[in-house]
Amino acid sequence: AQSVTQPDIHITVSEGASLELRCNYSYGATPYLFWYVQSPGQGLQLLLKYFSGDTLVQGIKGFEAEFKRSQSSFNLRKPSVHWSDAAEYFCAVASGGSYIPTFGRGTSLIVHP
Amino acid sequence: EPEVTQTPSHQVTQMGQEVILRCVPISNHLYFYWYRQILGQKVEFLVSFYNNEISEKSEIFDDQFSVERPDGSNFTLKIRSTKLEDSAMYFCASSVGSLSYEQYFGPGTRLTVT
Repeated sequence: AQSVTQPDIHITVSEGASLELRCNYSYGATPYLFWYVQSPGQGLQLLLKYFSGDTLVQGIKGFEAEFKRSQSSFNLRKPSVHWSDAAEYFCAVASGGSYIPTFGRGTSLIVHP
Repeated sequence: EPEVTQTPSHQVTQMGQEVILRCVPISNHLYFYWYRQILGQKVEFLVSFYNNEISEKSEIFDDQFSVERPDGSNFTLKIRSTKLEDSAMYFCASSVGSLSYEQYFGPGTRLTVT
C-alpha cells in the first residue's frame, strides 16, 4: 500500500527566507505526486503535481517541487517566503491503479515577520 | 472563479443521531469525492462518485455512510447513527475528470459528535 511521510509537523521561517518542506513516499511503481495547501478556514488547494517528465515541477504562488526517485522524495521549495504562505501543507501520492490520493499528515508553516 | 461550497460549516450532533453534510460541486465537474480529517491526523479518502454511482470507497466508508446526488447540483454525505469517533472535518471535492485533473476542495464541514 502506498504511504506518505511528512517528517516535520511544524516549520518556522522568517519572511524572505527560503523554504523546503519534506515529503517521502512509499510506492513500488512511479507515483503521481501532489502538494496541497490549506489556509485557515479554507479547503485544500493544489499547488503542483508530478505525473511524468521533468522532475522539477513548477507550481502556483512561486512554489516548486523536485521528484527524486532514488530518495523516494518530493520536497516542496520556495526561494523567498511571504507572510501569506503561512498555512498547512499536505503532500499526497496516488498510484496508476487508483486515482485517489493518499495524504501525509501535513506540515504547518509559521512565518515570522 | 467557481468554487465548491459546503454547508453547514459546523455541525454539532448527539451520538446516535443522523447527519447530512451538503456540498455543491463546481457545475461542469463530473467526479465527486468526500474526505475526512480527524483533528491532528491525515486527510483520509472516504468515497468517490461518478455517473450517479460510487466508483471507489475506502474501508472507512462502511454501511454507516451513504452518498447521494439528489438533484443536479447537490452532493450529500449521510452518516447514520453517529459515533464520537466520527467527529472530524469533512471535505467535499470535485473534478472535471479523474487523476489528471485537479480536485477542487470545499472549505469543509466540522462535525462534532457529543
